Amino acid sequence: QKEVEQNSGPLSVPEGAIASLNCTYSDRGSQSFFWYRQYSGKSPELIMFIYSNGDKEDGRFTAQLNKASQYVSLLIRDSQPSDSATYLCAVSSNDYKLSFGAGTTVTVRA
Amino acid sequence: DAMVIQNPRYQVTQFGKPVTLSCSQTLNHNVMYWYQQKSSQAPKLLFHYYDKDFNNEADTPDNFQSRRPNTSFCFLDIRSPGLGDAAMYLCATSRDNEEQFFGPGTRLTVL
Repeated sequence: QKEVEQNSGPLSVPEGAIASLNCTYSDRGSQSFFWYRQYSGKSPELIMFIYSNGDKEDGRFTAQLNKASQYVSLLIRDSQPSDSATYLCAVSSNDYKLSFGAGTTVTVRA
Repeated sequence: DAMVIQNPRYQVTQFGKPVTLSCSQTLNHNVMYWYQQKSSQAPKLLFHYYDKDFNNEADTPDNFQSRRPNTSFCFLDIRSPGLGDAAMYLCATSRDNEEQFFGPGTRLTVL
């Protein structure tokens, strides 16, 4: 059983602050790591993917991966009210399947 | 724009009445997935097709079936929906083991 755990929410941050989301996974064979954003009542939207150790930046989003610690994180800089959503961490082990965490709900206060 | 399309967006059915949900994609991806997502839960994989090869998850009830007549289309058939099958059904596609892209989902209500 592949376990993916995310820090429990909800996470409330003021507008303009950094939101930090954490995710750990149990399968050391995991190779691909994804962050999806899901607004209430909508489908998941891919916002970041990372395959190698280190940081990957895309606009206000930075994904960080540490395979030795089996840890992946997402930083949202300059948080905006439109970032209020549930963020799902997903992990793949090259078997065409995604293992999802339970999600962290982020609320950005104006 | 390349995309994943699901129809209908909302489906209401009666207890025990068969229902079919459809998914189409213009991404030309070879892998298609069906997920079930209930409120405040992560998506749960039901099955996936790698090209024409069907892969069922061990805990997917027999009540759920799928068809993929060609690369672009995939169907989810629920033979006898129960109240517990009310959920959002999500179709996703990927090229091999790369990132998955989700359609907008079909919200199923069972009366």
